[in-house]
Amino acid sequence: GAGVSQSPSNKVTEKGKDVELRCDPISGHTALYWYRQSLGQGLEFLIYFQGNSAPDKSGLPSDRFSAERTGGSVSTLTIQRTQQEDSAVYLCASSPDRAGGAPLHFGNGTRLTVT
Amino acid sequence: GNSVTQMEGPVTLSEEAFLTINCTYTATGYPSLFWYVQYPGEGLQLLLKATKADDKGSNKGFEATYRKETTSFHLEKGSVQVSDSAVYFCALSDLRGTSYGKLTFGQGTILTVHP
Repeated sequence: GAGVSQSPSNKVTEKGKDVELRCDPISGHTALYWYRQSLGQGLEFLIYFQGNSAPDKSGLPSDRFSAERTGGSVSTLTIQRTQQEDSAVYLCASSPDRAGGAPLHFGNGTRLTVT
Repeated sequence: GNSVTQMEGPVTLSEEAFLTINCTYTATGYPSLFWYVQYPGEGLQLLLKATKADDKGSNKGFEATYRKETTSFHLEKGSVQVSDSAVYFCALSDLRGTSYGKLTFGQGTILTVHP
């Protein structure tokens, strides 16, 4: 079946512009995560949606970052007034439930380059 | 808060060598533990997991044992292949509160296996 789909796969933007990154999770998965992977760094947690619960936004690095998940499915991560330090690969993952042992299914990511 | 520490890489081995990648964690309670792998040009995928103390996860010849007394989950393989060349991430899943199921990752270890 279809996996987690992210778009665009690559995005180059000028400093100061806003960008939107999209994630289509696996159908029926209730949990959705955004992570950021920078060169030489691990995966940095950004935000976590679980069903209809309030999202865990504790990983968002600044108020320029926000995310929505509409209808419990598609999610959009928005970065306003992008800075060069925002350049990274943004990964989305989904999981079938909130059980701690359930694996995450990752998309291939969006590579964001801020010039 | 929760954290995961992996041995620093990169790790370079010859084919058929023994592999150990160390992983230790700090967590409240008893998290589930995971190893994820990212092959060149691909997304992250689950390699193995363990959900309670003394459990051993195994897959594709890789093994890791959940050691509560040493808070460790070291990854081992007896004989590596060139095809094992990838980035390996240790992770734990929070099993408490509103962040139930959220994964915290280590920084990743690059493994290169030469013929």
